[in-house]
Amino acid sequence: QQQVKQSPQSLIVQKGGIPIINCAYENTAFDYFPWYQQFPGKGPALLIAIRPDVSEKKEGRFTISFNKSAKQFSLHIMDSQPGDSATYFCAASSRGGANNLFFGTGTRLTVIP
Amino acid sequence: GAVVSQHPSRVICKSGTSVKIECRSLDFQATTMFWYRQFPKKSLMLMATSNEGSKATYEQGVEKDKFLINHASLTLSTLTVTSAHPEDSSFYICSARDHSGRSSYNEQFFGPGTRLTVL
Repeated sequence: QQQVKQSPQSLIVQKGGIPIINCAYENTAFDYFPWYQQFPGKGPALLIAIRPDVSEKKEGRFTISFNKSAKQFSLHIMDSQPGDSATYFCAASSRGGANNLFFGTGTRLTVIP
Repeated sequence: GAVVSQHPSRVICKSGTSVKIECRSLDFQATTMFWYRQFPKKSLMLMATSNEGSKATYEQGVEKDKFLINHASLTLSTLTVTSAHPEDSSFYICSARDHSGRSSYNEQFFGPGTRLTVL
């Protein structure tokens, strides 16, 4: 059973657009929600992460919005650039669950120049 | 800081041979390391969790005798794929958790991955 559901599977935007990737979870014990960026043939790199006590977090052009009651969180990329073209994974973990990360299925983002 | 390396980055071997992949935390001590497998255009699948000085905990469906994990020191974990077959061809990624307090308690730092091709 997929612990974290991610959508869309793929996304194409023009340069300067704001792609939005959504994730949903069921386990209310999750208390850490990171987003990872992965380029082909490389390992995932942590972009930004959020905890349930805040509804939004910004780091540079990346913003996480978090809705605890809906058990949803999303990644927004402001002023997207062709260099942002990559696969993005959301994930979730809980302190009481051995801190294992449960990954979403990934979103392949393409930013067209 | 918090750099994780993997070696080799790419390996090709013949069916029936064994392959060892190393995962090192370069600037921190990692009590816990994780091994993932990733198929093309798919998400990461956790294979096992290894804790320094103890046996690894394998996820359901992962063969312990097939994928041997050793975490002998606080900076090194190894994954050995024994008697490799073409279906073992995949991208293997390790991650490590920094317990020093510099980062979040559940933050994992990922290695660059190892592409295994079994002929």
